[in-house]
Amino acid sequence: DAGVTQSPTHLIKTRGQHVTLRCSPISGHKSVSWYQQVLGQGPQFIFQYYEKEERGRGNFPDRFSARQFPNYSSELNVNALLLGDSALYLCASSWGAGELFFGEGSRLTVL
Amino acid sequence: RKEVEQDPGPFNVPEGATVAFNCTYSNSASQSFFWYRQDCRKEPKLLMSVYSSGNEDGRFTAQLNRASQYISLLIRDSKLSDSATYLCVVERGAQKLVFGQGTRLTINP
Repeated sequence: DAGVTQSPTHLIKTRGQHVTLRCSPISGHKSVSWYQQVLGQGPQFIFQYYEKEERGRGNFPDRFSARQFPNYSSELNVNALLLGDSALYLCASSWGAGELFFGEGSRLTVL
Repeated sequence: RKEVEQDPGPFNVPEGATVAFNCTYSNSASQSFFWYRQDCRKEPKLLMSVYSSGNEDGRFTAQLNRASQYISLLIRDSKLSDSATYLCVVERGAQKLVFGQGTRLTINP
């Protein structure tokens, strides 16, 4: 069975650019969450979506936005990239409660 | 002060040793508690949930003390394959997980 899939796996951007990261949840999962993991730190919560509605938002600037589509896949968008946005971006899915299953992440480098 | 704090290590222990990790959390409204394991350059994976009564899964034992807001993980008879970063995690509603910094563990042959 396919797990949580994320794309792209690696990408390099320059400051000021925009990036879109994509996530496909496990089949049947209706909840998708996004986390940012900076090197040497634990993941930090960005957003949670359930049934296409935002259910939670972490302490991130408005440059970060996300959405969930009718097929429950999700996109994370980051505008006006800063060097500090360099991180591993993790997507996690679940039924809406219970265990979160993480994808392998998208590793973003901002130069 | 971070909401979830744990010793970042690194811990280097010989194979077969017992190792203990500790974690404290600051938000008394926290609802659920977990230990996750993260291998180098991989995604976090749930190791075990943590209950007030304490719970055991093979060589792993987790304990929660709500009064002290303290969580622990004990690994007995450590194996080389236990080398990883161990993340203390607290859930604060709506499946919002708050992760500690992680403790890096290396088991030496």
